[in-house]
Amino acid sequence: SQKIEQNSEALNIQEGKTATLTCNYTNYSPAYLQWYRQDPGRGPVFLLLIRENEKEKRKERLKVTFDTTLKQSLFHITASQPADSATYLCALEIAGGGNKLTFGTGTQLKVEL
Amino acid sequence: NAGVMQNPRHLVRRRGQEARLRCSPMKGHSHVYWYRQLPEEGLKFMVYLQKENIIDESGMPKERFSAEFPKEGPSILRIQQVVRGDSAAYFCASSPLTSGASTDTQYFGPGTRLTVL
Repeated sequence: SQKIEQNSEALNIQEGKTATLTCNYTNYSPAYLQWYRQDPGRGPVFLLLIRENEKEKRKERLKVTFDTTLKQSLFHITASQPADSATYLCALEIAGGGNKLTFGTGTQLKVEL
Repeated sequence: NAGVMQNPRHLVRRRGQEARLRCSPMKGHSHVYWYRQLPEEGLKFMVYLQKENIIDESGMPKERFSAEFPKEGPSILRIQQVVRGDSAAYFCASSPLTSGASTDTQYFGPGTRLTVL
């Protein structure tokens, strides 16, 4: 069966450290993988998109890697700040799938002072 | 430029009533998606619409749920004869999907939280 797995346990890190979140998937062949941020009571906010033929993408303090052999994406936040505390969702988009996104359940990140 | 708007933000219905959820996409966006988020679960795709057309409704329950995106006005997700299991957050997203593009960023609204008593 198809699965998208993200760490269900919350990730607590200290301010200034790098946070690394994992997204693993099985029985999918995604054309694109996206990362979103969701704060309590709000809708997801798009952060980064990476294509199947890309290994890495960066945007300011964010970095995403995509390994289609391992079927895994890693999401890094460097120099983390308390304002980065949120739930982070990975989402897959299948080629020819009509742009619909399939989401993981998300990992809650808490950055402490 | 206003973002995606959804109303109401909170909706309480009794079992058997109808729920109507509205979504106004961002200006210039003609593609709308509806997702449902149950407690402790990820967002699940429900339906993808363009103006006056349903493109993909593979995630919609077969009964009681319907969606439309008329030529004028917001997109509507309608749930008839609601049951307790329909309690969830319903999110709408929109995208411009420029002609020829294979994908596009989806911008999400704040969601409607439906509670069925």
